[in-house]
Amino acid sequence: AQSVTQLDSQVPVFEEAPVELRCNYSSSVSVYLFWYVQYPNQGLQLLLKYLSGSTLVKGINGFEAEFNKSQTSFHLRKPSVHISDTAEYFCAVSPPYNNNDMRFGAGTRLTVKP
Amino acid sequence: GAGVSQSPSNKVTEKGKDVELRCDPISGHTALYWYRQSLGQGLEFLIYFQGNSAPDKSGLPSDRFSAERTGGSVSTLTIQRTQQEDSAVYLCASSLSVFAASTGELFFGEGSRLTVL
Repeated sequence: AQSVTQLDSQVPVFEEAPVELRCNYSSSVSVYLFWYVQYPNQGLQLLLKYLSGSTLVKGINGFEAEFNKSQTSFHLRKPSVHISDTAEYFCAVSPPYNNNDMRFGAGTRLTVKP
Repeated sequence: GAGVSQSPSNKVTEKGKDVELRCDPISGHTALYWYRQSLGQGLEFLIYFQGNSAPDKSGLPSDRFSAERTGGSVSTLTIQRTQQEDSAVYLCASSLSVFAASTGELFFGEGSRLTVL
């Protein structure tokens, strides 16, 4: 089975600064990788996903992530954050063609300060 | 509906009582998933349905937990004899199919926050 480790539980950052949220995964098979965002009192929504092809994936709200197979990582980045990016971010992994086996990390709380 | 709908949004109950949590998926989505979100614990997978069938119930934490889905639509998660450790946010998600490889995306509801006193 696959698993996900999010290395930082909390990331405080000032507005307009760059940010990287780290995610490492473990799997014996090829994987699909996802980042979801959860704003306060809301459900999770998809930020971006890697299924195949280009290892650099661009998502909504200016976020991007890079799939690194050799390092089994899928770190999320944004060059300049806004106050509105304050939220919980979850990395997730699933085997291809099998959504029921999607596993989530513990989440990273991003707090953007003015 | 336009999105995944869950009810109640908040539930406070006393230890030992039974609770039912409801999920109404996006119309046309055949797959439905239940997750539990505890503080600092990420999302714990509980169970999924493809249609009305739940092939694997091993994710349910104990035999006090059960889930059903009828008509390929609404699902109910039932917790019997609730315990304080059951306090969490229960999230429901749906997708076109368990094998929705073309999108790989789950669509989540806003969750049901359960507090057991």
